Amino acid sequence: TQLLEQSPQFLSIQEGENLTVYCNSSSVFSSLQWYRQEPGEGPVLLVTVVTGGEVKKLKRLTFQFGDARKDSSLHITAAQPGDTGLYLCAGSNSGGSNYKLTFGKGTLLTVNP
Amino acid sequence: KAGVTQTPRYLIKTRGQQVTLSCSPISGHRSVSWYQQTPGQGLQFLFEYFSETQRNKGNFPGRFSGRQFSNSRSEMNVSTLELGDSALYLCASSFNREGGYGYTFGSGTRLTVV
Repeated sequence: TQLLEQSPQFLSIQEGENLTVYCNSSSVFSSLQWYRQEPGEGPVLLVTVVTGGEVKKLKRLTFQFGDARKDSSLHITAAQPGDTGLYLCAGSNSGGSNYKLTFGKGTLLTVNP
Repeated sequence: KAGVTQTPRYLIKTRGQQVTLSCSPISGHRSVSWYQQTPGQGLQFLFEYFSETQRNKGNFPGRFSGRQFSNSRSEMNVSTLELGDSALYLCASSFNREGGYGYTFGSGTRLTVV
């Protein structure tokens, strides 16, 4: 069974601070996706990383896929209250019968004004 | 274009009853997946369909079933409801056959079993 461990589970920071969320596994994934979910809504895809060592930037968000494709991180620079939400990482494997996402349990981020 | 539509948004059912949830994927998306989200377990995979075929199933009891129609719309059914089935049920669709490039989720159906 593939598992994804996210840390920290909860994070409360002040506006303007930087933060990093981690997503780790003992298993290799062919791709890893990050989602953000707001209360009462479904997760919204932020980014997909596919290549080991890949770094992607989305405005103030920087995503990195580990060289071995077992881990990933999300770094937010100068956090804003609008960044508040549940951040989820999800691993995917192609081929075979494994047509599913394995989710971490999420990091609940609160950015205080 | 329209997103993934799930109906109903909220449901309250009594233990022992059954329930059917509906999902309409984004036009052109043929892969539809279902997930259960609870505070304790997070998002857990239920099943995935592609072109009316179930390709993968998660570790849920047989009370949970689903199907996909020729227009890619999908339904999931839960029979003999238990209190522990209370959760947010999310549907996701993908254009890519293997879903490796991301899914679009609906807003979910909040099921409460009393």
